[in-house]
Amino acid sequence: AQSVTQLDSHVSVSEGTPVLLRCNYSSSYSPSLFWYVQHPNKGLQLLLKYTSAATLVKGINGFEAEFKKSETSFHLTKPSAHMSDAAEYFCVLANAGGTSYGKLTFGQGTILTVHP
Amino acid sequence: GAVVSQHPSRVICKSGTSVKIECRSLDFQATTMFWYRQFPKKSLMLMATSNEGSKATYEQGVEKDKFLINHASLTLSTLTVTSAHPEDSSFYICSAIPDRAPSFDEQYFGPGTRLTVT
Repeated sequence: AQSVTQLDSHVSVSEGTPVLLRCNYSSSYSPSLFWYVQHPNKGLQLLLKYTSAATLVKGINGFEAEFKKSETSFHLTKPSAHMSDAAEYFCVLANAGGTSYGKLTFGQGTILTVHP
Repeated sequence: GAVVSQHPSRVICKSGTSVKIECRSLDFQATTMFWYRQFPKKSLMLMATSNEGSKATYEQGVEKDKFLINHASLTLSTLTVTSAHPEDSSFYICSAIPDRAPSFDEQYFGPGTRLTVT
């Protein structure tokens, strides 16, 4: 069985300060991991993905995440938050093959609030 | 870029009626699409995998007779909620894997459909 745990349901930061959204995973196989963002009334947008290449993954809008196998973590960071970053973020684990091809397991989501 | 649309974006229906939600890949073909359900303040739960030309594969606990899925073409999958009840009220999201991209990680999501059953 595989699972994804986002450790914070809400994170609040001030504009210009760093962002850290935490994610731990459990998987029997080498995982493929993603971060998606969901703005109100909009579809999920892929921020970045890890698929067994470099452990430090850079995504769009200045976000990056580091895959740490020893800690089973895939935390999302950004050096400086913008007001437009306010949204809900999902850490996602993918099944790589067999009958579970393409199936995604979502974390519970973290709502990021950015204060002026 | 790859775009997935859903129609309608919002629907209100009376208890006991059926409602159909469409998921379309606008600029690519998709043999495989997925349907998710998102409860308020909760994560997305995979309901079923929709494959063009074959029966959908439902996740454990999802009633296949209640949530009918039809993937009749390479650009359209539909989810019909039959005999809807208030507990079916939710946000339904679809996603699609482009046939041109064999990698499962290229998956595009629709904007979602808010269903309210009164």
